[in-house]
Amino acid sequence: ETGVTQTPRHLVMGMTNKKSLKCEQHLGHNAMYWYKQSAKKPLELMFVYSLEERVENNSVPSRFSPECPNSSHLFLHLHTLQPEDSALYLCASSQDTRAATYEQYFGPGTRLTVT
Amino acid sequence: AQSVTQLGSHVSVSEGALVLLRCNYSSSVPPYLFWYVQYPNQGLQLLLKYTTGATLVKGINGFEAEFKKSETSFHLTKPSAHMSDAAEYFCAVSESDMNTGFQKLVFGTGTRLLVSP
Repeated sequence: ETGVTQTPRHLVMGMTNKKSLKCEQHLGHNAMYWYKQSAKKPLELMFVYSLEERVENNSVPSRFSPECPNSSHLFLHLHTLQPEDSALYLCASSQDTRAATYEQYFGPGTRLTVT
Repeated sequence: AQSVTQLGSHVSVSEGALVLLRCNYSSSVPPYLFWYVQYPNQGLQLLLKYTTGATLVKGINGFEAEFKKSETSFHLTKPSAHMSDAAEYFCAVSESDMNTGFQKLVFGTGTRLLVSP
């Protein structure tokens, strides 16, 4: 595997379910990100981890819970979601969070549908 | 806070025609600027970036962009469109948190490029 991988690629869940999204990066990067991509809206940064420590949380509802057990893996735990949470969830990684020149590498995303 | 404006949610061109996707940014400091492309059912892929130095930046797949400070613009161009260029394109600017030094990307809303035969 190369780059950034995400599983599952598609997920349908009810509002009372609990599920998790997984992201893995094979690039040796130190920073990982979760984004939410909704139609006709800019990408929304949700969480950022640097060396497994959370450095940014953009006022995301508590029904989204991130976990970064090591610098290669990132999870997004979901529970009691709302229909408006349906979106494409993108994971990304970069060399570091402190250099503006470091580009971010994105995974293919998980298409989440909340019914 | 920085912001990015992409004029036109959709741009249609014929195969072989010039591609021009517009991006304007607001930034109080010299910006770092990026263009990403997203093909259907895929994540974002970096096309090119401007950090310092030459204002005309060349990227992958024949794309290039020119940083114009006076116009606060970073428009993306390609001389001749190909069917495979049909995708969504995102402009982004890097924003720094003054307290933590954390750098994050601020994205525009994207422009969908449609290429007709």
